[in-house]
Amino acid sequence: RKEVEQDPGPFNVPEGATVAFNCTYSNSASQSFFWYRQDCRKEPKLLMSVYSSGNEDGRFTAQLNRASQYISLLIRDSKLSDSATYLCVVNTGTGRRALTFGSGTRLQVQP
Amino acid sequence: DAGVIQSPRHEVTEMGQEVTLRCKPISGHDYLFWYRQTMMRGLELLIYFNNNVPIDDSGMPEDRFSAKMPNASFSTLKIQPSEPRDSAVYFCASSLLGAGANVLTFGAGSRLTVL
Repeated sequence: RKEVEQDPGPFNVPEGATVAFNCTYSNSASQSFFWYRQDCRKEPKLLMSVYSSGNEDGRFTAQLNRASQYISLLIRDSKLSDSATYLCVVNTGTGRRALTFGSGTRLQVQP
Repeated sequence: DAGVIQSPRHEVTEMGQEVTLRCKPISGHDYLFWYRQTMMRGLELLIYFNNNVPIDDSGMPEDRFSAKMPNASFSTLKIQPSEPRDSAVYFCASSLLGAGANVLTFGAGSRLTVL
């Protein structure tokens, strides 16, 4: 089983739609969780951290469910510029600084 | 700040040749990571350094791969000899302890094609 699993998509949604991605992780000792965004042929960039209580940044909401070992990302009022691959990222070891990346979920927002 | 700088951006080489990829982390960052990305396997951690010391190289695929960090501002990833299955985008990333745990800043990547 992969350490971090995501539905690869693609998710094709119209502008203005609300879309949600889920991600599951296998190591219950994981401590830090993030969503990164990667545009085509570009490097990954941090979108937002995911906190236990859930957190929001503008149109983006991230939530963590430790009991079920999944995290989610909700995007409201989708824009064309949201089209990208969204990577679920987990720190899987105590004291270990390296991050484990999911394979990503591709989002295509259509006009 | 110029960000993480990688070179070359693109490299095409023939099987058996030596390949050296270079990375300059963000000044002051104390962690440096090398990742490889392919369509089949996604982003995989190869090795990471803390204060120029290799901490975890368990992701290095085999002895053909080696990485060094001779000082705080420079790291290399070397493949010798290269094989077609090494074709991938190689990303270098850096981070700073305490500046938001595990927030990585990536370079633009080095796209390697081995013929």
